[in-house]
Amino acid sequence: RKEVEQDPGPFNVPEGATVAFNCTYSNSASQSFFWYRQDCRKEPKLLMSVYSSGNEDGRFTAQLNRASQYISLLIRDSKLSDSATYLCVVNRAGGYNKLIFGAGTRLAVHP
Amino acid sequence: EPEVTQTPSHQVTQMGQEVILRCVPISNHLYFYWYRQILGQKVEFLVSFYNNEISEKSEIFDDQFSVERPDGSNFTLKIRSTKLEDSAMYFCASGAGLQETQYFGPGTRLLVL
Repeated sequence: RKEVEQDPGPFNVPEGATVAFNCTYSNSASQSFFWYRQDCRKEPKLLMSVYSSGNEDGRFTAQLNRASQYISLLIRDSKLSDSATYLCVVNRAGGYNKLIFGAGTRLAVHP
Repeated sequence: EPEVTQTPSHQVTQMGQEVILRCVPISNHLYFYWYRQILGQKVEFLVSFYNNEISEKSEIFDDQFSVERPDGSNFTLKIRSTKLEDSAMYFCASGAGLQETQYFGPGTRLLVL
């Protein structure tokens, strides 16, 4: 079983749509959780950290369910500039901050 | 805003040659990392470095790989004898502390012919 699993997509949505991405992780001892965004041939950039209480940053909302080992990202009012690959990332417990990446979910927002 | 920088942006080399990839982490950061991403695949951890020594490495990081922080600002990844399968994008990252956010550099695209 992969450590971090995501639906690869692509998700093709019109501008203004709401889209949700899901991710599951296998190591129950994982401590920190993130969504990164990666544009084509560029570096991963932190979008937001994910907390058990859920957190929101503008149009983006992230949720963590530790019992189900499930992480989600909701994007409201999608913009063309949201088109990218969204990476679910987990920090391995007990290590020196080794990040485990999912393969990513591709989002394409069209006019 | 401070950022991680990497040089070169692209490197083409012949199989069996040595390459050195260079990174300048964010200046007050203490934890340094190398990751790689083979085209079309996920980002994979290679090695973490703290207090002038390797703190963790993956199975990918075999004897052909080494890291160094030669002068207190640069952080390098050396591949001694490159193989075709080393062709990938190599990302350097740095973080201020354990469990702190990691910031990634723009990457070096390595092509081994």
